[in-house]
Formats: sequence, C-alpha cells, structure tokens
Amino acid sequence: TQLLEQSPQFLSIQEGENLTVYCNSSSVFSSLQWYRQEPGEGPVLLVTVVTGGEVKKLKRLTFQFGDARKDSSLHITAAQPGDTGLYLCAGATGGSYIPTFGRGTSLIVHP
Amino acid sequence: KAGVTQTPRYLIKTRGQQVTLSCSPISGHRSVSWYQQTPGQGLQFLFEYFSETQRNKGNFPGRFSGRQFSNSRSEMNVSTLELGDSALYLCASSLVQVSAEAFFGQGTRLTVV
Repeated sequence: TQLLEQSPQFLSIQEGENLTVYCNSSSVFSSLQWYRQEPGEGPVLLVTVVTGGEVKKLKRLTFQFGDARKDSSLHITAAQPGDTGLYLCAGATGGSYIPTFGRGTSLIVHP
Repeated sequence: KAGVTQTPRYLIKTRGQQVTLSCSPISGHRSVSWYQQTPGQGLQFLFEYFSETQRNKGNFPGRFSGRQFSNSRSEMNVSTLELGDSALYLCASSLVQVSAEAFFGQGTRLTVV
C-alpha cells in the first residue's frame, strides 16, 4: 500500500489547457513537497507546503495543502510544453524524517 | 553553487557483478541519502549517511550498502547484482538530516543484463 497516492497516473493535454493533480494520504504530514522530474534527470523541488489550508503560487502553478494536512493538489493554468514531466509529491510522517514519495503523475503537454 | 553530482550517469552490468556509484553533495551539506527509482515502485529510500555514519536505512537487502567520506562524498555499492536491480539510483543532499526537502543529483541509470 502506497502511503501517498497520486492521481491521475498519466495526463496528456494540449497547450493552453488547465489541469489539476492530486496527492492523497490517510496520514497527517508535517509538510508536503512537490517535485518535477524530467526524463533522465533527478527530481527538482518546486515547493514545500507546511500549514493546513496553505496555498502557494509559483507562476502558473498553484499548490494547496489540505486543511487536515493529509492531501495536496497542484493546479497548472494554461499548460505549456515546458511543463511536461513527472510530478511527485513527498512527505514525512509519524515523527520520522525519512520521506515517502508518491509514484507521480506523468504529464505530457502537446504543442 | 555547484549542485549534487553523481557518477557515472549510465552503467551496464551483468548479473552477479557488483557496482559502485558515487555522489558529491552540495558544498556544506552533510546529509546524503540514496534512493532507488523504478517504474513499478517509484522512489524508494535506501539509506542516509551523516558524518560518515549510516543514520537511517530503508527496507533493502544487505547487498545494498554505502559509505560516506570525511568530505561528505558518498558511495553506494550493490553486490551480486540481480536483474531487478535495474533502476535509476538517485542521491539527495540536505544540510543536516534526511528530508523530503532535498536537492537531487541527475542519477545513475543502472541496467543489469
């Protein structure tokens, strides 16, 4: 059983469309991180959300942490081909520092 | 500021062989963690080293081992390679402890044939 469930697993859209990907868990996280990983590269940290209900914006990307700190979402407005990649959420729970990663959402944005 | 450097980028080995991967963390970062990434299992934590000591360990067999040197550089070793060890091995660097907020290297793509 995956501690962090991400959905959808795959997403293929046209340039200019909006999309939302989700990261859900039954556990409470002290913080959640979102990463983007391009093919053949390591994950790159996009954002950390800490407070329940927190919303952070990074240009066209909007990240939200659930009120109960068990889930998070990433919304991309007007997607561009450069947004293509694997989006991973990660976090540590139960007093452990060791992070758990979701399996990711693979996004392809077609020109 | 230089990022996390992993060498080699690609490696092909035969079943039964052993392999050593290298990671140089960001200058000043003392915690180095290793992860295995496969399509089926995603990113899984292998172990963390801090001040030349293994501080945390994931659920991997003893064939997977590592070490850290006094300059914080780390190596990971896999002995008696199996086909299932084919994966992207990622190293992550943090200031003082393993963290979900980390800086990753580009990874080493290991293929076992």
